[in-house]
Amino acid sequence: QVQLVQSGAEVGQPGSSVKVSCKASGGTFTNIPISWVRQAPGQGLEWVGGIIPRSRTTNYAPKFQDRVTITADEFTSTAYMELSSLRYEDTAVYYCAKQEMSLVSWFDSWGQGTLVTVSS
Amino acid sequence: EIVMTQSPATLSLSPGETATLSCRASQSVSINLAWYQQKPGQPPRLLIYGASARAAGIPARFSGSGSGTDFTLTISSLQSEDFAVYYCQQYNNWPPRLTFGGGTKVEIK
Repeated sequence: QVQLVQSGAEVGQPGSSVKVSCKASGGTFTNIPISWVRQAPGQGLEWVGGIIPRSRTTNYAPKFQDRVTITADEFTSTAYMELSSLRYEDTAVYYCAKQEMSLVSWFDSWGQGTLVTVSS
Repeated sequence: EIVMTQSPATLSLSPGETATLSCRASQSVSINLAWYQQKPGQPPRLLIYGASARAAGIPARFSGSGSGTDFTLTISSLQSEDFAVYYCQQYNNWPPRLTFGGGTKVEIK
């Protein structure tokens, strides 16, 4: 079973960028669609975007299209999410999550979450 | 964007009772719907996919039903560990525009 382990908490200033990693183990990374989902404090879940490592195909939610870049390193089985032009409202826990079959599917395994705090 | 609306926002029940949670889509998503459970400080856990298929290791007291725009998650005989927040999620579009409902909190009465 695939396990996802994320990098530690990050603090960024407004206008800066932050990059979060998600290392997969226990499966064939290149075939695993990986998405990023965020959760603001006390709020619900919001899909940010995802990647299929083998094809490097990415899809982003329109809301984040201009500010997010999702990449994957097949050699280290690690996916990355970089969010730029940070705003206070980007403060949230960011989860990576494995999907079944394609990016248009459910999330069957989740990382532990990475808290990103935007603060001056 | 497909908007998912969950009701009620909070459900107060006693252990042993049955919880019935509703999720409505703003347009048809066929059976492309999943349910998740989330406890404080933890990531969500997949319960149901394909509207009614239980994920691996999920107890039989969790059941999902519905298609099109109206879906239900039923938790029969609530156990203490079932008190949590539940989210629905649709995955009907290509390109992916995955959306979640706002959540239903199941709390101890």
